[in-house]
Amino acid sequence: GENVEQHPSTLSVQEGDSAVIKCTYSDSASNYFPWYKQELGKRPQLIIDIRSNVGEKKDQRIAVTLNKTAKHFSLHITETQPEDSAVYFCAASIGAGGSYIPTFGRGTSLIVHP
Amino acid sequence: DSGVTQTPKHLITATGQRVTLRCSPRSGDLSVYWYQQSLDQGLQFLIQYYNGEERAKGNILERFSAQQFPDLHSELNLSSLELGDSALYFCASSVPGTNEQFFGPGTRLTVL
Repeated sequence: GENVEQHPSTLSVQEGDSAVIKCTYSDSASNYFPWYKQELGKRPQLIIDIRSNVGEKKDQRIAVTLNKTAKHFSLHITETQPEDSAVYFCAASIGAGGSYIPTFGRGTSLIVHP
Repeated sequence: DSGVTQTPKHLITATGQRVTLRCSPRSGDLSVYWYQQSLDQGLQFLIQYYNGEERAKGNILERFSAQQFPDLHSELNLSSLELGDSALYFCASSVPGTNEQFFGPGTRLTVL
């Protein structure tokens, strides 16, 4: 089955710095890659996603890049703010015919120091 | 608030018991997904239902079962509970034709 590795497990930055979280996946059939933010005690929330036919996607301070050949994708957060502090999860999923099977990374705890 | 509701919020039970977790998707969403989140295993996909039918299966144990009813709410049944089943259980729903998922607030299950 699919295996997703996520690094680093903890990332500490100063407010205003950039943060990068990297994930690798094993199954070349994976075609949808969402990123979720989970604050302490809360539900995961989708913050950005990318499909396998796209190399990069941006949404304000957040961007995701995908390298299908190398089977890795990354989350980039620029101008970090204290409210960005949370656990971030990547996922690689196989979606076909209405079914959707995601495999998640173990999460990155991002700490943004004011 | 995502629009997905889950009950109960917390559940404390004993080993060997059976519990039922309930999820109501957002209005108009036909798919419901169940996830387990624990410190040991991380966030794991259990099962997906679409308009009442099972659509995809993940790492769901045989002791666990789910169903989706005609009104689209879903229930996850956990039986012969073990200490290791203690976890947060999330359900999510998605807009038809997309994979964008909206998670519910979760049910925290504690097995003593």
